[in-house]
Amino acid sequence: KNQVEQSPQSLIILEGKNCTLQCNYTVSPFSNLRWYKQDTGRGPVSLTIMTFSENTKSNGRYTATLDADTKQSSLHITASQLSDSASYICVVSADGNFGNEKLTFGTGTRLTIIP
Amino acid sequence: NAGVTQTPKFRILKIGQSMTLQCTQDMNHNYMYWYRQDPGMGLKLIYYSVGAGITDKGEVPNGYNVSRSTTEDFPLRLELAAPSQTSVYFCASSPDRKRGYTFGSGTRLTVV
Repeated sequence: KNQVEQSPQSLIILEGKNCTLQCNYTVSPFSNLRWYKQDTGRGPVSLTIMTFSENTKSNGRYTATLDADTKQSSLHITASQLSDSASYICVVSADGNFGNEKLTFGTGTRLTIIP
Repeated sequence: NAGVTQTPKFRILKIGQSMTLQCTQDMNHNYMYWYRQDPGMGLKLIYYSVGAGITDKGEVPNGYNVSRSTTEDFPLRLELAAPSQTSVYFCASSPDRKRGYTFGSGTRLTVV
């Protein structure tokens, strides 16, 4: 069964500090891994997408890494801001039948930035 | 651009009632999706469409129906609402299956 596990479940850090969120997955056959940011009461917003051959990708202060051998990914946030308070969701895509893909969503890490 | 627009934002239904959740996108995306998000759970795919006139079931399709008569619109129909359908529903679209999805802002549905 395809699974995506994220840790920690929740995290509180001071504004300006860095943090790293973790994602472990058991998804096969792997196609790509995505990180989304979801503000409270809003839909998820795409941050990064990485394929098997990519081991790092940045989007501003967000840097995602992927280790396809150990099936782990991390999302590093640099110099956190109050607006970074949100849930961060790891999503892993598997190639399905007939060219369709199947996404498995993690339950997210709830990040709170305090001033 | 408006992106993906969902209506209504909130709705309370009585058991057995029916309703349609509307979803419209203005990005000319071929792929559209309906997900539900329950507390403490990852998003689950209800239905998806790879183009006008083509729809297929996702992981949790029971109790729902969809149609895709145009590229822009992908409504989700609940025929006989049940308390188990209390959830937040998200519509999403993408230009192809390898790209990131654009999500709407969601519809919070409560069935009582």
